[in-house]
Amino acid sequence: TQLLEQSPQFLSIQEGENLTVYCNSSSVFSSLQWYRQEPGEGPVLLVTVVTGGEVKKLKRLTFQFGDARKDSSLHITAAQPGDTGLYLCAGLNTGTASKLTFGTGTRLQVTL
Amino acid sequence: DTAVSQTPKYLVTQMGNDKSIKCEQNLGHDTMYWYKQDSKKFLKIMFSYNNKELIINETVPNRFSPKSPDKAHLNLHINSLELGDSAVYFCASSSRQNSPLHFGNGTRLTVT
Repeated sequence: TQLLEQSPQFLSIQEGENLTVYCNSSSVFSSLQWYRQEPGEGPVLLVTVVTGGEVKKLKRLTFQFGDARKDSSLHITAAQPGDTGLYLCAGLNTGTASKLTFGTGTRLQVTL
Repeated sequence: DTAVSQTPKYLVTQMGNDKSIKCEQNLGHDTMYWYKQDSKKFLKIMFSYNNKELIINETVPNRFSPKSPDKAHLNLHINSLELGDSAVYFCASSSRQNSPLHFGNGTRLTVT
């Protein structure tokens, strides 16, 4: 069973601070996706990274895929209350029955 | 609005009952999914259908039976509900098998 461990599990910070969320696995993934989920709603895709070492930026969010395609990180600069939510990484395996495995989640709260 | 919509949003029922959750997508996607999110927010795939054909069937009790009458609909029927079935169930779709997911807003099932 492929496991994706995210750290930290919970993060409570003040507006303006920077933070990094990690997503780690011992398995290799063909691609990795990051989602954000708000209370009462389904997860919404933020980004997909495909190539080992790839870096993608989405405004104040920077996503990186590890060189070996086993891990990823999400860095948020100058966090805002609107960034509050559950962040989920999800790895697509390289097997014949391709499926997405979700990480354990990081709950972020940004306060004023 | 283009979306994945699932009904009902909340479902409270007693142990032993049979219930169904409906899902529809108007995105023109070929692949649909059912995911279960537990109290710790861990998302786990249950089923996946591609063009009405079952392609992923995880280790799920056979009390859970998905049905896809056409590629825009994927319903989930649950027989003999148990306390442990309480969770949020998410329907999702993707344009093809390995593409990012578009989620519905979830159905919170509470079994008493």
